[in-house]
Amino acid sequence: GDSVTQMEGPVTLSEEAFLTINCTYTATGYPSLFWYVQYPGEGLQLLLKATKADDKGSNKGFEATYRKETTSFHLEKGSVQVSDSAVYFCALKAQGAQKLVFGQGTRLTINP
Amino acid sequence: DSGVTQTPKHLITATGQRVTLRCSPRSGDLSVYWYQQSLDQGLQFLIQYYNGEERAKGNILERFSAQQFPDLHSELNLSSLELGDSALYFCASSVATGLAGELFFGEGSRLTVL
Repeated sequence: GDSVTQMEGPVTLSEEAFLTINCTYTATGYPSLFWYVQYPGEGLQLLLKATKADDKGSNKGFEATYRKETTSFHLEKGSVQVSDSAVYFCALKAQGAQKLVFGQGTRLTINP
Repeated sequence: DSGVTQTPKHLITATGQRVTLRCSPRSGDLSVYWYQQSLDQGLQFLIQYYNGEERAKGNILERFSAQQFPDLHSELNLSSLELGDSALYFCASSVATGLAGELFFGEGSRLTVL
């Protein structure tokens, strides 16, 4: 079945460091890919998305590129801030499917 | 604020009991999704309703049931509760179904079974 695998956490970085959170997926056809973020005590919020191969999603300084050849959608940010501390979820929606399939989540902590 | 409202925010109950979690979707959203978030299982899709009808079913136990009412709010009923049912239950809504659109999540209902 469809699945998402993302890098194990927790990840701890210093402010202004470069961030990469790896995400790979297994799905038939051409899924849509998403990154959601969950701040402490809140629900999940869409961070960015890409709906076809080679699309780049971006928002709030975060970027991810839909790579079909490597079935990946890695999240990157050039300079993280303390306010980026949260849990990040990679997710996919298969063609014609109703639901989102989520990865396990990666907890990110940014120290000042 | 996503516009999705979930009640109660916290619930503590005993094994064998039954609880009902309520979700009001964003205004205009016809589709409601329920997810369970636990430490060991991550975010698991339970069930989806669209305009009152069940559209997709995931890893939902037979002890659990859900429905969506004519005013589009949804309820998730959990019965014969076990310790392992302790989790954060999220409701999400979207305008339609089957599209690569955004799901809007509520803040969740945290269930603790003692």
